[in-house]
Amino acid sequence: AQKITQTQPGMFVQEKEAVTLDCTYDTSDPSYGLFWYKQPSSGEMIFLIYQGSYDQQNATEGRYSLNFQKARKSANLVISASQLGDSAMYFCAMREGMNTGNQFYFGTGTSLTVIP
Amino acid sequence: DAGVTQSPTHLIKTRGQQVTLRCSPKSGHDTVSWYQQALGQGPQFIFQYYEEEERQRGNFPDRFSGHQFPNYSSELNVNALLLGDSALYLCASSSFSGKYNEQFFGPGTRLTVL
Repeated sequence: AQKITQTQPGMFVQEKEAVTLDCTYDTSDPSYGLFWYKQPSSGEMIFLIYQGSYDQQNATEGRYSLNFQKARKSANLVISASQLGDSAMYFCAMREGMNTGNQFYFGTGTSLTVIP
Repeated sequence: DAGVTQSPTHLIKTRGQQVTLRCSPKSGHDTVSWYQQALGQGPQFIFQYYEEEERQRGNFPDRFSGHQFPNYSSELNVNALLLGDSALYLCASSSFSGKYNEQFFGPGTRLTVL
């Protein structure tokens, strides 16, 4: 079974609007971390936001917020007030277990295009 | 503060050849992970190095090997290249003292196997 599932290959959003990128995960470990990365066409992965499995509050970082629904095993990324520079690939990732050196599992990504 | 650097940026090889990719981690980081990202896919974990030893390994054949040096830099070696090895190879560094222990990625090396 896939550890991380991203079901939206491509998304479009109007500039200044909000957009939600979906991510579901699969793990039996009660301790895990969820990450979102942005990958522009240049290739470098840029860390956006983190949510720990024991965090009570949804994570927020500037215009990024994470809609964490633990029972549904979903960790959707919400980007508010979209900008043209937000156009990129977005990847959801998970690290299982307490060992913070454990590997990351990535989804297949969502391509976001912001329309002027 | 320099981030993760990788060299070379692009590489073209033929089937059967061997290749070595290099990575220097972000300053203060001691752990290096390597990922393969095929076109249109998410990164797939190859292996991770810490204290000059391979700590974890993903589902990749022994043709993929690596090394970490005392200065924490790392190399990824791929022997007997196959067409399917064509991909973007990403290096990521991390530290146990990081806030979220997130991995910081380099710009990648684009490998093309002909």
